[in-house]
Amino acid sequence: AQSVSQHNHHVILSEAASLELGCNYSYGGTVNLFWYVQYPGQHLQLLLKYFSGDPLVKGIKGFEAEFIKSKFSFNLRKPSVQWSDTAEYFCAVNAARDDKIIFGKGTRLHILP
Amino acid sequence: EAGVAQSPRYKIIEKRQSVAFWCNPISGHATLYWYQQILGQGPKLLIQFQNNGVVDDSQLPKDRFSAERLKGVDSTLKIQPAKLEDSAVYLCASSFRGAGELFFGEGSRLTVL
Repeated sequence: AQSVSQHNHHVILSEAASLELGCNYSYGGTVNLFWYVQYPGQHLQLLLKYFSGDPLVKGIKGFEAEFIKSKFSFNLRKPSVQWSDTAEYFCAVNAARDDKIIFGKGTRLHILP
Repeated sequence: EAGVAQSPRYKIIEKRQSVAFWCNPISGHATLYWYQQILGQGPKLLIQFQNNGVVDDSQLPKDRFSAERLKGVDSTLKIQPAKLEDSAVYLCASSFRGAGELFFGEGSRLTVL
């Protein structure tokens, strides 16, 4: 069965700091990978996704993620965070053979102004 | 484009009572998901529909939870009888087909006393 683990449950950074949120998945076959974000008071929305091709994918608001197949990882990065990035971030995986999408437990990111 | 609509937004009930949540997906989206998100955890898939057929309900506690998607559009999730541990946010999501981008509703927050 697929599973997703996010290493950091709560991250606090100052504005302009660099961000990297870890995500590892367990599934031996072909996967599609996602990062979703939930801003305070809003619904979950897609930040970026990887289906195939270039393992470095760029999403909205300056976020990017790198798929490293050998490490079963899909870490989220941003070179310089802003106060408005305060949110909860969820990594998700889908085995390409089916439509089920499994989410990690989430990382709550708090940016200090 | 209208988003995924859910109601009610909030519901407080006592244990052993019943509750129903309603979801209207984005027009034309064939796949509909119900997730349960307990505080501090990631969304957990309860049931997935493709049009009006169930694709996966392996994580649905069928002794108390039921869901239907009549005519392949709206969906209802019911809990009867509710337990304290059912306190959570129930998220509905839809996608055009399969495991592409999920569009989430605002969620229905259930508190069981």
